[in-house]
Amino acid sequence: NAGVTQTPKFRVLKTGQSMTLLCAQDMNHEYMYWYRQDPGMGLRLIHYSVGEGTTAKGEVPDGYNVSRLKKQNFLLGLESAAPSQTSVYFCASSYIGRTEEMTNYGYTFGSGTRLTVV
Amino acid sequence: KNEVEQSPQNLTAQEGEFITINCSYSVGISALHWLQQHPGGGIVSLFMLSSGKKKHGRLIATINIQEKHSSLHITASHPRDSAVYICAVHMNYGGSQGNLIFGKGTKLSVKP
Repeated sequence: NAGVTQTPKFRVLKTGQSMTLLCAQDMNHEYMYWYRQDPGMGLRLIHYSVGEGTTAKGEVPDGYNVSRLKKQNFLLGLESAAPSQTSVYFCASSYIGRTEEMTNYGYTFGSGTRLTVV
Repeated sequence: KNEVEQSPQNLTAQEGEFITINCSYSVGISALHWLQQHPGGGIVSLFMLSSGKKKHGRLIATINIQEKHSSLHITASHPRDSAVYICAVHMNYGGSQGNLIFGKGTKLSVKP
């Protein structure tokens, strides 16, 4: 099935450990995003990419790094995990289609990665 | 600051009831999304709106750009509609294309 695949689905880390979350999409979307979802808060943007080889900071980038070496993959790295990074992480990809009348945005989300840092 | 506000936060309904979830935003936008998230599950895009009204099955979404308000309606609600419904907007500013600002979500529970 076409879509966005996140790995792993669950992970427990000890404080100070590092890990990489992988996001892969097969829809040839230019744009990719990493969000975190915490109780009582809306999804918040960590980093995003507007194309292969590009990355940019979002609302909450501290403690995370990203890379987009291939168009279909967007990696999120935690160099030294902290308990404050316990969260559910979602990857998404999107296209932007423009006509004279309007702009269409099509988003597809992954199923999420539940990360616990102890 | 809360640029996207949803109401209610929690909603319990009986099967068959008509349900309305509201979303208000404080800035100019180019488009608005309604998303659905089932417990422990991923996020699915239901609608993207920039004006007017859209319908898909028992779901109807409306937007009033002048009033900065959108509603999501569910007709003949069913227990399988139980989920968190999230409103998200694309803001009209010079930031990067495609970035969304999310509401905190409305948790809907439909009882049989």
